[in-house]
Amino acid sequence: KAGVTQTPRYLIKTRGQQVTLSCSPISGHRSVSWYQQTPGQGLQFLFEYFSETQRNKGNFPGRFSGRQFSNSRSEMNVSTLELGDSALYLCASSIQGAPDNEQFFGPGTRLTVL
Amino acid sequence: GENVEQHPSTLSVQEGDSAVIKCTYSDSASNYFPWYKQELGKGPQLIIDIRSNVGEKKDQRIAVTLNKTAKHFSLHITETQPEDSAVYFCAAAIQGAQKLVFGQGTRLTINP
Repeated sequence: KAGVTQTPRYLIKTRGQQVTLSCSPISGHRSVSWYQQTPGQGLQFLFEYFSETQRNKGNFPGRFSGRQFSNSRSEMNVSTLELGDSALYLCASSIQGAPDNEQFFGPGTRLTVL
Repeated sequence: GENVEQHPSTLSVQEGDSAVIKCTYSDSASNYFPWYKQELGKGPQLIIDIRSNVGEKKDQRIAVTLNKTAKHFSLHITETQPEDSAVYFCAAAIQGAQKLVFGQGTRLTINP
């Protein structure tokens, strides 16, 4: 069974630009959660989508948004990039949904903002 | 509260010895506690989890214990091997906010 895949794996952008990251969950998983990982703040929850609906949202500004498609694939968008948005962005899929069920992480997208 | 504190931040043990990582959580309603292992360049990998109605769970060399009264849980790795070297994260499901909150991580190094 294929795992969670994320594209692209690496991305370099400049301040003010916007970026879209993609996540394909494990087949049959309807929940996709997004996390930001930085050395200073660790792993922080961004939001969760389940059956195309945003179920939960973390404490991030409105520049961070996402969506989920009918095939459960999810995209995350960050607008007006800031230097502090440089991070590893991880998505995780789950059959029954976060936070109290097994989540399986993808390899992440490393975003660098210059 | 939504805090999960993890200790130690770094841990170095001799191959074959045991390693213990401890976490405390603040939300008394938390009911799910997973542990993840993250190797360089990879995403976190779930290695074991425990629910609040269980006090201990074991899977081969890995075990997790939960003390709900004290609000802390621990990861125990026995007979450590070089491939156990990685960063380990604990997490707790925060029911009110409906999210998983992670500890800051423990960098475990197994010395041959």
